[in-house]
Amino acid sequence: DAKTTQPTSMDCAEGRAANLPCNHSTISGNEYVYWYRQIHSQGPQYIIHGLKNNETNEMASLIITEDRKSSTLILPHATLRDTAVYYCIVRVANNNDMRFGAGTRLTVKP
Amino acid sequence: NAGVMQNPRHLVRRRGQEARLRCSPMKGHSHVYWYRQLPEEGLKFMVYLQKENIIDESGMPKERFSAEFPKEGPSILRIQQVVRGDSAAYFCASSRTGPTNEKLFFGSGTQLSVL
Repeated sequence: DAKTTQPTSMDCAEGRAANLPCNHSTISGNEYVYWYRQIHSQGPQYIIHGLKNNETNEMASLIITEDRKSSTLILPHATLRDTAVYYCIVRVANNNDMRFGAGTRLTVKP
Repeated sequence: NAGVMQNPRHLVRRRGQEARLRCSPMKGHSHVYWYRQLPEEGLKFMVYLQKENIIDESGMPKERFSAEFPKEGPSILRIQQVVRGDSAAYFCASSRTGPTNEKLFFGSGTQLSVL
């Protein structure tokens, strides 16, 4: 699976959009981009995933660049409860090992 | 619709004892995954099971660790003769189908502390 690079930490003001970047320059054509988050002391929570096209659901939007070497997770209106570690993962379908890196620690401030 | 249930939430064992961690997947899910998270680190894959079968145990330590997912009942992660280095949070996840284009649902984890 391709390796990902994320900033260690980010801050965001409550009510503003949080844009979390992820670099995956070695991604292969059949690898998906997944985003999960982990709120302190809880299990990871699925947010969104995509292959080529941008995706949006009730939680977030995922913007994948045309060359697929990077992506951005957007939380449109961050709340204090969005404070968590956000993991960007790339993996091949049918691969059992979803590899979590260090992630980005997002802190939403009042 | 209950999510992935793990118990116990906290488990304390002395060195040399056995630890048994249980995981009940979401209703309708027949695929279970176990992950371990050391303090201040990311999650590391351990094992993937389907009912009565171990599909991939490439992340499982070769000794003292075992996992099962019987036809009836929860999945069990068993650690024999625990050592201090086994202290970690152990998370279970389940999915409806296999690890294709499928999201995983995680439990709240079991925090194992070895004294």
